[in-house]
Amino acid sequence: KAGVTQTPRYLIKTRGQQVTLSCSPISGHRSVSWYQQTPGQGLQFLFEYFSETQRNKGNFPGRFSGRQFSNSRSEMNVSTLELGDSALYLCASIAYQGQRAEAFFGQGTRLTVV
Amino acid sequence: KQEVTQIPAALSVPEGENLVLNCSFTDSAIYNLQWFRQDPGKGLTSLLLIQSSQREQTSGRLNASLDKSSGRSTLYIAASQPGDSATYLCAGDRGSTLGRLYFGRGTQLTVWP
Repeated sequence: KAGVTQTPRYLIKTRGQQVTLSCSPISGHRSVSWYQQTPGQGLQFLFEYFSETQRNKGNFPGRFSGRQFSNSRSEMNVSTLELGDSALYLCASIAYQGQRAEAFFGQGTRLTVV
Repeated sequence: KQEVTQIPAALSVPEGENLVLNCSFTDSAIYNLQWFRQDPGKGLTSLLLIQSSQREQTSGRLNASLDKSSGRSTLYIAASQPGDSATYLCAGDRGSTLGRLYFGRGTQLTVWP
């Protein structure tokens, strides 16, 4: 079955602009999580959506937001971009079975802010 | 909060060696511990998942163990190959926030022919 699809793969934006990233999870998975990966901070959790509701949120400013649609696809938005937002943004599709939670990641979106 | 530490940060070995990568975590209320592989500029590939009720998992040349009491997990790679070269990341969740993963900084592995 198809894996996790993230679009676009690469983006270059200017400071002050906004950007929207998209993630389509594995068919049947209702949960999507977003992570930011930078050389300095490693992988940092942004938020998780389950059945269109945000149920976990990391320590990022309000400029970072997300949503999930009824088909489980998720979007992440970053407004007023800063140079420090340059990173690889990874989306995970999570398979829950009781207390078992297994994450499957997409290839990521490489965002460069200039 | 779950703090995850991986040792060593980097490892360079000749082909054929058996390897052990270490991961330690601070919160014993861990439900799921996953090992991932990441190639440069790519996403994460899930290797193994160990639930808190399990002691180890095996897949091919990979074996991962989990000891909740000591807060440690190890990934054993048998008969390493150049194609194993990548960064290996471990990540665990907490019982109160299942699915939210706390990542270590990874072990960068180089296997040379």
